[in-house]
Amino acid sequence: NAGVTQTPKFRILKIGQSMTLQCTQDMNHNYMYWYRQDPGMGLKLIYYSVGAGITDKGEVPNGYNVSRSTTEDFPLRLELAAPSQTSVYFCASKSRTSSSYEQYFGPGTRLTVT
Amino acid sequence: AQTVTQSQPEMSVQEAETVTLSCTYDTSESDYYLFWYKQPPSRQMILVIRQEAYKQQNATENRFSVNFQKAAKSFSLKISDSQLGDAAMYFCAYRSAEHSGGGADGLTFGKGTHLIIQP
Repeated sequence: NAGVTQTPKFRILKIGQSMTLQCTQDMNHNYMYWYRQDPGMGLKLIYYSVGAGITDKGEVPNGYNVSRSTTEDFPLRLELAAPSQTSVYFCASKSRTSSSYEQYFGPGTRLTVT
Repeated sequence: AQTVTQSQPEMSVQEAETVTLSCTYDTSESDYYLFWYKQPPSRQMILVIRQEAYKQQNATENRFSVNFQKAAKSFSLKISDSQLGDAAMYFCAYRSAEHSGGGADGLTFGKGTHLIIQP
């Protein structure tokens, strides 16, 4: 199992550009999440999804969009990138079963907007 | 909204010694989960230990144990026999057990504690 994979690992964007961060999981997890981690801070929830076709906002959704057309994929779209979006982005997934607690994290994408 | 506070930005411990990392949280919920995650320089988030709020017994995983004080809303992590590989950022995290939407199923993280192991 590859677990949760994210691409790219690093990216530099100019202000106003757009890009999509890819996230794929092969564990058949229903729940998926996007977090951002700013320097010296903990992770903050951007968006989450409880299943294909269902997404909802987390704590810091402004400037981002998501979609969930399949169970496996949960891409994060940045429109009109701003310096405030410079961060490390983590995707995570979790099983829906009540006995499952752990969120499995991808390796992160480091994004710099200049 | 829930908040998680880690008051120690950095801790240092001698190899083979014991260290305790502090975490407090604020919530009005009665049912929830608490976690400690380790983030080494590779950035990978690794689950260290978890605690269900309805369980009075403190969780233990090998050299890692917690002191869960529900009334005080405190959840500290004790690392025994510290090893060089324990050096990392440690994050305390909270998750509601109530699937009421509004991001309730996502994790709320503290700012982290940087743990240094002195050889």
